[in-house]
Amino acid sequence: SQKIEQNSEALNIQEGKTATLTCNYTNYSPAYLQWYRQDPGRGPVFLLLIRENEKEKRKERLKVTFDTTLKQSLFHITASQPADSATYLCALGIDYKLSFGAGTTVTVRA
Amino acid sequence: DAGVIQSPRHEVTEMGQEVTLRCKPISGHNSLFWYRQTMMRGLELLIYFNNNVPIDDSGMPEDRFSAKMPNASFSTLKIQPSEPRDSAVYFCASSQTVTIDNEKLFFGSGTQLSVL
Repeated sequence: SQKIEQNSEALNIQEGKTATLTCNYTNYSPAYLQWYRQDPGRGPVFLLLIRENEKEKRKERLKVTFDTTLKQSLFHITASQPADSATYLCALGIDYKLSFGAGTTVTVRA
Repeated sequence: DAGVIQSPRHEVTEMGQEVTLRCKPISGHNSLFWYRQTMMRGLELLIYFNNNVPIDDSGMPEDRFSAKMPNASFSTLKIQPSEPRDSAVYFCASSQTVTIDNEKLFFGSGTQLSVL
C-alpha cells in the first residue's frame, strides 16, 4: 500500500541551528513534491515545490532535496528562529492529486 | 487578496443534523479542493473541482457527503446526516492551474466540525 512517512518524533532545536526533516515514501511515483507549513488553528501554507527531475531547491533559509531512487525528500531550515516553530507537511503530487504526510512538529528554543 | 474564505470557523452539531460548510476560493483560481484533517488520518482529499466541474470525488467517504460548486466563487460541502466520526477540520483550497507541474495550493483557515 502507499505510504508517506515523516519524522515520527517532534523536533526540538536551539535557535540558530539547522533543522532537518525527512519525508520517505513507498509505492508512489510522484511527479513533484511540495512542503507546507501549518500553524495551530490555521490551514497549511505552501513553502517549496520540487519536481522529480530536480535534485535540490532553495528559498531563503529553506532547502529541499528530492531523491527518487531513495524515495526520500529532506527539508532543511538553516539558522532556525523561534518563528519557525510549526508543523511541516510534505505532500507528494501526481497530476492534481496531493497526498500529505502526517507532518513533523518543530519547536525552536530561543 | 483576501485568500480562501471558509465559513463557519467552528460548527457544533448533534448527530443526525445536516451540516453545510462554505468556501469562497481566490478570484481567478480555477481549481478547488476539499480536504479533511484528523489526527488519525492526516489530510485527506475529499473532492476536486476544475472550472466548477467535479473531476474526482473518490475521496468522499460515503453518500452522506455531497459537494457543489454552482459558480467560480462559491462551493459547499454538505453532510447529511452527520455522525460523530465526521468530527474533523475541513479545509478548502484553491489553485490557479492544475497540470502535471502543479501550482501551489492556497488553503483556507478551515472549519472545525464537532458532531456530538
